[in-house]
Order: sequence, then C-alpha cells, then structure tokens
Amino acid sequence: DVKVTQSSRYLVKRTGEKVFLECVQDMDHENMFWYRQDPGLGLRLIYFSYDVKMKEKGDIPEGYSVSREKKERFSLILESASTSQTSMYLCASSLSPGDSSYEQYFGPGTRLTVT
Amino acid sequence: GQNIDQPTEMTATEGAIVQINCTYQTSGFNGLFWYQQHAGEAPTFLSYNVLDGLEEKGRFSSFLSRSKGYSYLLLKELQMKDSASYLCAVRDGDYKLSFGAGTTVTVRA
Repeated sequence: DVKVTQSSRYLVKRTGEKVFLECVQDMDHENMFWYRQDPGLGLRLIYFSYDVKMKEKGDIPEGYSVSREKKERFSLILESASTSQTSMYLCASSLSPGDSSYEQYFGPGTRLTVT
Repeated sequence: GQNIDQPTEMTATEGAIVQINCTYQTSGFNGLFWYQQHAGEAPTFLSYNVLDGLEEKGRFSSFLSRSKGYSYLLLKELQMKDSASYLCAVRDGDYKLSFGAGTTVTVRA
C-alpha cells in the first residue's frame, strides 16, 4: 500500500514567517506534487517534481518554492507567509507515464493557518 | 486555461442511485479521474477513463465521452458511508491533473 505522509496535520504561523511543509512517500514514485485546497476552488497545483532536483511550476506557484533533494521527499516552502496562504495543503505522488493509469496518491493534508 | 465543471452539491436517499456529471474544456486530454474525499481526509482514487465508454467497479461506474468533453460517476445502492466529496480531474499532459471544485454528496436515511 502506498503511503504518503506529511509532517504536520495542523500548523499555525505568523505573517512573514518562513514555513516548511514536508512530504514523504514510501513507494519509490518518480513524481510528487503539492496542491492547495480551498472551498469552492478545488485542488490547485502549486508545484510538481518528476525527478530528484527537478521541479516545474504548477498553476499557482507565486509565493512558494519547493525542494526535492531525495526521491522520497518533497518540501514546500513559503518564503514569507501571508494570510492569503491560509489553506489546506495536500501532497501527492505517482508513478511515471507508461505505468498503467498512474493515479496520484495523496497524503492526509496540512491545514495551515497564517495569522 | 482549464475549465472543469461539476455540480456543487447533491442529496440522495440510502439505497438509491446518484449520477455526478463532469464537463471539461482542457488544452489536452490524457485521461479523466474520479476521486472520493471524506471530510478532513485525503482524496482516494476511484476510477480512471481514457477511452470512451463505461468502466464499472463494484457499486461505482464511470463514463467518458471525449467528443462531448463529458464524464459521469454513477454511485449505486448508496450507503451512508458514501457521503463525501467527489472530485473530477483531467490529466492534460504527462503529469498534471486539473481538478473540478468537487461535488458534495449527502446520503440521507
């Protein structure tokens, strides 16, 4: 069974703080993703990575950066947290194209509140 | 940009059938996914369609018409545990998924 874990379920940070969200997957997946989920907007892709040290911008990358130093770990960084970044953050991983449907497997999410 | 539409809410009775529609307009198409998400939990994969037609998996079925940009998820013999949000997502390239806002299904006794 694929397991995607995230470092925190709930996080409260102050405006201007640097925030790190960590995600780890245990199934040797090549691809990893960071989304945010807001009511009425669905899941929106922030960044994804298809290999170690490789990253691609998603639909809403502004205010975020990512790091993938090891295959199993993908970090999301909020350089200077703002109240507009209060949201649920979901990490996901998947196999590469060519591997069946290569659906994405999601972690439990981190609910971040920026005050 | 990507445009994926699905109803916001649906209510049905235990034992009934509910059909959740999803229409999409995307720059590319490389498969359509349905996910289930219970409140406070991670989305979990339900189904995948890349060719036209119906895919059946137990009580859940998913249909795709690529020419119409249309899919539906059919939930049969509804149970209380089926109360959740159902997310329609389109893969428009090799990696990225674009999601609809989700449909909240409430099952009543």
